[in-house]
Amino acid sequence: GAVVSQHPSWVICKSGTSVKIECRSLDFQATTMFWYRQFPKQSLMLMATSNEGSKATYEQGVEKDKFLINHASLTLSTLTVTSAHPEDSSFYICSASPGGGDQPQHFGDGTRLSIL
Amino acid sequence: QKEVEQNSGPLSVPEGAIASLNCTYSDRGSQSFFWYRQYSGKSPELIMFIYSNGDKEDGRFTAQLNKASQYVSLLIRDSQPSDSATYLCAVNVEGGGNKLTFGTGTQLKVEL
Repeated sequence: GAVVSQHPSWVICKSGTSVKIECRSLDFQATTMFWYRQFPKQSLMLMATSNEGSKATYEQGVEKDKFLINHASLTLSTLTVTSAHPEDSSFYICSASPGGGDQPQHFGDGTRLSIL
Repeated sequence: QKEVEQNSGPLSVPEGAIASLNCTYSDRGSQSFFWYRQYSGKSPELIMFIYSNGDKEDGRFTAQLNKASQYVSLLIRDSQPSDSATYLCAVNVEGGGNKLTFGTGTQLKVEL
């Protein structure tokens, strides 16, 4: 149980392109999902908390106009990297939790984004 | 700033030995503690979680929690080369719902 699916796994695109990443909870409902970014050999960095039916909460230093988050249903959140540039190349990972504040987060498989 | 501290390693242990991974946290209000394993190039995978003081065992893994000392650890018995990975300690943020604070991870190498 508690399976999180993330799509696509890999994206390679040109600079200036916008890229959408989907995160789905397959066997549970998730009021809250989380988006992380991880650069090589570095730790996870929380970008934003995605709340179903409301605006996302962004961490300090994360540009909300560049990283658009939509959480339209209890099983789907999307992250759109707008006008992506090479410095946005990274490993993006979503997570979701099936229950209350003491429940673990379960991670998707991640999306490796490469901007040329 | 709520912090979770881990020794970055690498921690090298021989195959069959016990690996001991440690984590300290600063938020006394934290109630939930998690260990994740992350293989290189992959996303984190939940290994164990613990909420109460003491030990919790699951197969070869044992999580230990001491809230008074703000200390949580993970023991891996009979370590295997497949256990070689980075282990992330995560602590819930008090009042933050499911939001977690992650340590930077300890790299474990199990040698033949």
